[in-house]
Order: sequence, then C-alpha cells, then structure tokens
Amino acid sequence: EIVLTQSPDFQSVTPKEKVTITCRASQSIGSSLHWYQQKPDQSPKLLIKYASQSFSGVPSRFSGSGSGTDFTLTINSLEAEDAATYYCHQSYSLPRTFGQGTEVEIK
Amino acid sequence: QVQLQESGPGLVKPSETLSLICTVSGGSVSSGSYYWNWIRQPPGTGLEWIGHIYYNGSTNYNPSLKSRVTISADTSKNQFSLKLSSVTTADTAVYYCARDGVAGLAYFQHWGQGTLVTVSS
Repeated sequence: EIVLTQSPDFQSVTPKEKVTITCRASQSIGSSLHWYQQKPDQSPKLLIKYASQSFSGVPSRFSGSGSGTDFTLTINSLEAEDAATYYCHQSYSLPRTFGQGTEVEIK
Repeated sequence: QVQLQESGPGLVKPSETLSLICTVSGGSVSSGSYYWNWIRQPPGTGLEWIGHIYYNGSTNYNPSLKSRVTISADTSKNQFSLKLSSVTTADTAVYYCARDGVAGLAYFQHWGQGTLVTVSS
C-alpha cells in the first residue's frame, strides 16, 4: 500500500498569504496524484488532477506541482472561502489511498 | 452531468450488516469503462477508500476491509451497492459513493453528498 504523508497537519493563515501544502508518497507514483478541498459537511471537491492540471472551474490561485514522491499544492493569495481541509490522493495503484489531510484556518 | 445519491439506514447495530445504495443519474454503471467507488470518512478524520466495481462487474477492495465488504451493481436500476458485515463502532462514518473522472484508475470527479451511518446498539 502506498502511504501519503501530508504536511503540515494544520495551518493558520491570514488572507492574501500564500499557502503551501506538501504530500510525500512512500514510493514513486509518477504524476498520479490529485488534490481535493473539503469544507465542513460537504463532499470533497477536486482541485488538481495529475499533480499539476487544474480542474475546470477551480480558481487560478490553486496550483499543483511535483512528480515521483514529492508533491505540492499552492494557494496564492488565500481568500476567506479557502478555509477547508485539503487531501491528496494517489491513483497509481490499489488500494487507492489518501493523505491524512491538512486543515487550513483563516486568521 | 453525472450525479450520485447515497441511501440507506442511518443506524446499524453492532455485529449486523451495513447496506447502502448509490443511485446514479446522468451516466450508466454498466458502460464507459468507469470505476464506481465507495469511500468513507469517520467523524473528524480522513478519507478511506473501501472499494470499487468496474463497469464490467469486476471488483477490488481495500485489504483492510476485504473480508467484510461486498460491492455489487444492479444495472436495471442503475445503482451500485455496498454491504459491510460484522460492523463495530469503528465503522461509524460518512459513506460516499464516487466515480472516477475518466476511464480507468483516476481522480474522483463525481461524489454523492454522503450519508452518515452510526453503529450503535
């Protein structure tokens, strides 16, 4: 099983700041890494697919990078509506796995 | 636009079987080379993939749950279902059904709204 480890677990950020969340895979997964945003009492929503491809309708301040074992989700100029928990997910092999999540709080 | 909706009992007793149905609209569970998934999220914690059924009926399960899980499809009703046997309080979670965005193993593009299942006597 591929283990995904996110850091940090929690981040408190002021609006307009830049947020960087990392996801490290226990083995190389190429670019088969995706990012989701989940707000309280909502289903997760896809932000970034295949490490760096923005999903349709997602604000341009969200971007992804990386390949192999190290990946990054960046939120440029954080907005209040970005308060949420962010998860990475790998589709390289079964079982599909998720990172433990990173909660982003707005100061 | 594909839409998914979970349904089933919100309360299950310990040692019994949890049964949920995902009803699909805007797409067919028996075509398109897609995987139809179940994912769960215990209260206050992260996401766990339970398993999936492929459009041709083949299944894969998370090894951590494999001995207790069955996923099947009813193509006449355009639904797929989850059965989890011998439940304990650790199985209390929001259960989501989801579909990959493209054919094959990919990203989860379409999600149901989730349904909370509580295991309690």
